Order: sequence, then C-alpha cells, then structure tokens
Amino acid sequence: AQTVTQSQPEMSVQEAETVTLSCTYDTSESDYYLFWYKQPPSRQMILVIRQEAYKQQNATENRFSVNFQKAAKSFSLKISDSQLGDAAMYFCAYVPHAGGTSYGKLTFGQGTILTVHP
Amino acid sequence: ETGVTQTPRHLVMGMTNKKSLKCEQHLGHNAMYWYKQSAKKPLELMFVYSLEERVENNSVPSRFSPECPNSSHLFLHLHTLQPEDSALYLCASSLQSRGPNNEQFFGPGTRLTVL
Repeated sequence: AQTVTQSQPEMSVQEAETVTLSCTYDTSESDYYLFWYKQPPSRQMILVIRQEAYKQQNATENRFSVNFQKAAKSFSLKISDSQLGDAAMYFCAYVPHAGGTSYGKLTFGQGTILTVHP
Repeated sequence: ETGVTQTPRHLVMGMTNKKSLKCEQHLGHNAMYWYKQSAKKPLELMFVYSLEERVENNSVPSRFSPECPNSSHLFLHLHTLQPEDSALYLCASSLQSRGPNNEQFFGPGTRLTVL
C-alpha cells in the first residue's frame, strides 16, 4: 500500500523568506504522479504543483518549486519570497499512473500548517 | 459558476435525519470523487465515479450512499449518521480517473455536524 508522510505538522516563515516543506512516500510503482495541494482557511483545496515521476526535471510554478528525489522517495516543496497569502495547510499527495483498481486514488499526507509572519 | 461547487456549505443534522450533499462540476470532467476530511487525519477517499460508474468504494459504511446521475453531478445521501461522521466532506473532479489527466480539482466542502 502506498503511504505519504509529512513529518512537519507546522512550519513558519517570515514574509519574503524561503521555506521548504518535506514529504516522503512509499510505493512499489515506477510510474506515478506527485502533487502539492494548498488548503487556505477558506477550505478550497488548490493544486500548487505537480510532478511526473518519469521526468527527472523538478517542476516549477512561479515561486513554488519541488525537489524530487525518486530514489529516496522524497518530494519537498520550496516556497520562495513567501507572501502572507501563502499561509495555509499544505498537503503532499501521490497517485499511481495506472494499474489495477487504483483509479485516481490520491493518497494524502497528514498536512503541514504554514504560518507566514509579516 | 465555474470549477467545482458544493451545497450546502454547512449542515447540522441529527442521527435520525436523512440529508444529501450535492456536488456539481463545470469543468467538463469525467471523474468525480468524495473525500472525508477529519481533524488531525489525512483526507480519506470515499467514492470514485468514472463516467457515472462507481469504480471505487473505499470500505465506506452503508449509511453513506453516493449517486452520480451524470458526469457533472454527484450526490452523497446520508442517513442514520453517527457523531463521528462529523467532518468536512470534499468533492473533487478530474478529466480522467487515471493516467496523465488525473489532476483533481476540489470544491469548497460541506462542513457536516452530526448531533
């Protein structure tokens, strides 16, 4: 069974600084997708960034980038130039590319609450 | 309306009530999902529908009954719930239920309280 672990229940960062959120996962699959989702206090879950396991290049979306280490099964999120609006719960998630009955079964980590200090 | 919408946003019900949660997606997607989000626990997948066919039922108690009349609408019918069923119920949709177009878009959720 796939598992996703976020070992940091809470993190904080000063505005304009950089913060890295950790995520590790366990799978026997070779092809899969990893995601970071953001859930602000308003509760709407928003996709931040997506990584395809067969791509060696780390995904980047503006101030958000990932450090994908496939061998180590690690998928951390780096937020540069943090803004007050980045404050939210961040979830790491995994889904296999295909296979058996794993239809779209996103497996989520426990989440990391990010606080941004002005 | 754009994206994924859910109604009601808040619901309080007694254990003997019957209520339904509604989800609608305006993205032209073919797959829809129900998740349960409880405090201090990871999101739990409850049901997956692909092209209106249920493809995953993640060992959910029968007091939760999903219905997907078409690819744009998803319901979760609730009856004789327990207080431990109180949670945020999230709906999501994706273009496909597997493969490269499996990115899921979430609704705002329904905050359910069972008294």
